Amino acid sequence: EAGVVQSPRYKIIEKKQPVAFWCNPISGHNTLYWYRQNLGQGPELLIRYENEEAVDDSQLPKDRFSAERLKGVDSTLKIQPAELGDSAVYLCASSLSMNTGELFFGEGSRLTVL
Amino acid sequence: AQSVTQLGSHVSVSEGALVLLRCNYSSSVPPYLFWYVQYPNQGLQLLLKYTSAATLVKGINGFEAEFKKSETSFHLTKPSAHMSDAAEYFCAVEETSGSRLTFGEGTQLTVNP
Repeated sequence: EAGVVQSPRYKIIEKKQPVAFWCNPISGHNTLYWYRQNLGQGPELLIRYENEEAVDDSQLPKDRFSAERLKGVDSTLKIQPAELGDSAVYLCASSLSMNTGELFFGEGSRLTVL
Repeated sequence: AQSVTQLGSHVSVSEGALVLLRCNYSSSVPPYLFWYVQYPNQGLQLLLKYTSAATLVKGINGFEAEFKKSETSFHLTKPSAHMSDAAEYFCAVEETSGSRLTFGEGTQLTVNP
């Protein structure tokens, strides 16, 4: 069974540039999560989807971050424009439902903003 | 609001020694508790979870954790460390089923030969 797939694995951009990350969850998983992990810290939830609906986006900085999950499968997280403080690893995870607590994580997309 | 505190950002043990990684939680209700492990350049994976069925929870790779309500703790242990256990370990709490999963800051475990 394929795991959660994320791309790109690494991205280096200059500040004020846009960037997008893509995530393909495990087949059949209805719930999809985007987390941000700063160096030396634990993951912090940015947004959680139940199928196509964003059910928890209170931590998403909506002035520059956006996300979508069309058709309830793949998801894209976008930052525009990027700031120096956005340098982090962006993790995508999926689970069968919101009620299991068992999340399956991808390897992450490491963003460096110069 | 729920939170977790992991005592010790770095723990170093010798191969074969006991592993003890500490986690304390703050929650207004009995929570759901989890330990995740992150090996270098890999995604996080679930080690074990507590969901009120039993206070001593066994996970993968010989790890276990005990839920102690009186101490608001959920410490992770393994009787004998192996070199392959070197990784970062995260404690996480979910206040109610389906609510947001909140992670601690992680503990980096080093295993010395």
